[in-house]
Amino acid sequence: DQQVKQNSPSLSVQEGRISILNCDYTNSMFDYFLWYKKYPAEGPTFLISISSIKDKNEDGRFTVFLNKSAKHLSLHIVPSQPGDSAVYFCAASGAYSGNTPLVFGKGTRLSVIA
Amino acid sequence: DTAVSQTPKYLVTQMGNDKSIKCEQNLGHDTMYWYKQDSKKFLKIMFSYNNKELIINETVPNRFSPKSPDKAHLNLHINSLELGDSAVYFCASSQGRRGNQPQHFGDGTRLSIL
Repeated sequence: DQQVKQNSPSLSVQEGRISILNCDYTNSMFDYFLWYKKYPAEGPTFLISISSIKDKNEDGRFTVFLNKSAKHLSLHIVPSQPGDSAVYFCAASGAYSGNTPLVFGKGTRLSVIA
Repeated sequence: DTAVSQTPKYLVTQMGNDKSIKCEQNLGHDTMYWYKQDSKKFLKIMFSYNNKELIINETVPNRFSPKSPDKAHLNLHINSLELGDSAVYFCASSQGRRGNQPQHFGDGTRLSIL
């Protein structure tokens, strides 16, 4: 039973355009969400996070949007750069509600084409 | 000057053998984790230690035994290796045990069972 779903296994975007990566979750106990980026042969690297009391968090070119009623979040990267090409993992936890461990999605491979 | 380091990076061994993976973090964090990324690319929590105390123990065969000699180290010992144990194992650390603390990952240990 996948509690965190990333339904697009891959995404290709032109350099300079917007990349939008989507994530859905099913567990209502989740109240904290994170995005990680992973290059081949390396571990995931934390990118940006959002708690359930917010609907948007921005850090430079990266913005995460949270729609609690739809149990959906998205990561926007603007403008996309070739160095952004990586696998992006969405992760969720019940950090405040139940202190549940992080649950990861399967990842979306982003390719930014120059 | 790696923050979370795992050894070895690659491990190829025969079925039935016993092997260990070591992990060390120099971030001063008090919580460490072991994750397994299987062939379907899901990253799943196996164990978590906070100040040397086991706090998360997911459904993992008891052939897997974590050991935390101190806050900076978390090793994983696997007995009687099976084909299904082939995966990439990631170590991670965070400050605090709540899911709202970003986790820092090592580069993974790729375990292949022949």
